Amino acid sequence: DGGITQSPKYLFRKEGQNVTLSCEQNLNHDAMYWYRQDPGQGLRLIYYSQIVNDFQKGDIAEGYSVSREKKESFPLTVTSAQKNPTAFYLCASSNPGQGANTEAFFGQGTRLTVV
Amino acid sequence: GEDVEQSLFLSVREGDSSVINCTYTDSSSTYLYWYKQEPGAGLQLLTYIFSNMDMKQDQRLTVLLNKKDKHLSLRIADTQTGDSAIYFCAESFGSSASKIIFGSGTRLSIRP
Repeated sequence: DGGITQSPKYLFRKEGQNVTLSCEQNLNHDAMYWYRQDPGQGLRLIYYSQIVNDFQKGDIAEGYSVSREKKESFPLTVTSAQKNPTAFYLCASSNPGQGANTEAFFGQGTRLTVV
Repeated sequence: GEDVEQSLFLSVREGDSSVINCTYTDSSSTYLYWYKQEPGAGLQLLTYIFSNMDMKQDQRLTVLLNKKDKHLSLRIADTQTGDSAIYFCAESFGSSASKIIFGSGTRLSIRP
């Protein structure tokens, strides 16, 4: 089945450690996104990538890094520089273009807790 | 910059219509979307509207777009308990609609 998969579903990290969240899609989508969701604040864009080997910062990129070496994969690293990393992280992909069907498809999310 | 705003909560009686509102600041959006999120899950697309349309209807869902006022709404007719969720409006930007910005979400609760 085509879809977008995030792993793990739950992740615990000690303060000061880097951690990488996985996101894989088999929808052949060009664009991929990472959002952070906090209660009452909706989704905030961390990074997005329109094509392999290219990505742009979103609104809250500080303390995060990404790579896009393969079309189907867009891992997010939460570094120790991110001051408040505990949140629900959502990955999405889309097929941008001129026509319809440009909507984003979402993974089930990774809940990261810093202990 | 781009900003999308929604009220945080809405409570309606079962069987009534729900109207969820959204305002946005950047009029260069390409598409506008409504997504639904159930607890602990990702987001699912409910419907979308191209920015040069003013209305779209899909079964119980009606989307209205007022470009002059930069206002988008989602009406759910005959609201059921299964409609309880958080609803997000979103905009895409650019000629290829590749950047997508979301609102804060509206939590819809249904009372008997």
